[in-house]
Amino acid sequence: DSGVTQTPKHLITATGQRVTLRCSPRSGDLSVYWYQQSLDQGLQFLIQYYNGEERAKGNILERFSAQQFPDLHSELNLSSLELGDSALYFCASSVLSGTGGTGELFFGEGSRLTVL
Amino acid sequence: TQLLEQSPQFLSIQEGENLTVYCNSSSVFSSLQWYRQEPGEGPVLLVTVVTGGEVKKLKRLTFQFGDARKDSSLHITAAQTGDTGLYLCAPHYYGGSQGNLIFGKGTKLSVKP
Repeated sequence: DSGVTQTPKHLITATGQRVTLRCSPRSGDLSVYWYQQSLDQGLQFLIQYYNGEERAKGNILERFSAQQFPDLHSELNLSSLELGDSALYFCASSVLSGTGGTGELFFGEGSRLTVL
Repeated sequence: TQLLEQSPQFLSIQEGENLTVYCNSSSVFSSLQWYRQEPGEGPVLLVTVVTGGEVKKLKRLTFQFGDARKDSSLHITAAQTGDTGLYLCAPHYYGGSQGNLIFGKGTKLSVKP
């Protein structure tokens, strides 16, 4: 158990819909990262928040957005869903701020999104 | 843009065999992490290597960081069925955010009894 909690574990929805994925980081970790994992693209970094503020941005589509709340949990919002958005979405947390270093990322078990 | 390749993409072996998987980058990196991901789980950190030429051992797993800091390898001795999983390398490039780890597509290892 990594200590990172993600909900829901599975989600099936239709094209054009909007979903929200939730992540609670490990106790004490201020950084939250979102990754998308698909068979052809591997594990792709989407976005990072540190203590409520956006810290780094990766290959995140404009239809996707995220935020980190004062209690440090984070939500990833996916809208106008397309078939190609079907993937595993992972949240990870770290004690580091993301300005360098070799800290460990602790991953949740992921949310599997299926868009029909 | 850094190119990152892991090889082989797939590997199926019998229990007891040895194997090596590779991670190669087009750019120099300051450190590298290896993660293992089991089915239905998130990746879990195995090791971090930070010094060129460094060799780290974790029981039956041996990790090597290339002298040129552009490659790394993972060798498993006497593989067990519990070693089955997706092995991901994640280099940290100079100037990059620690969290913005670029992951390779991984080597999917299957160890059969």
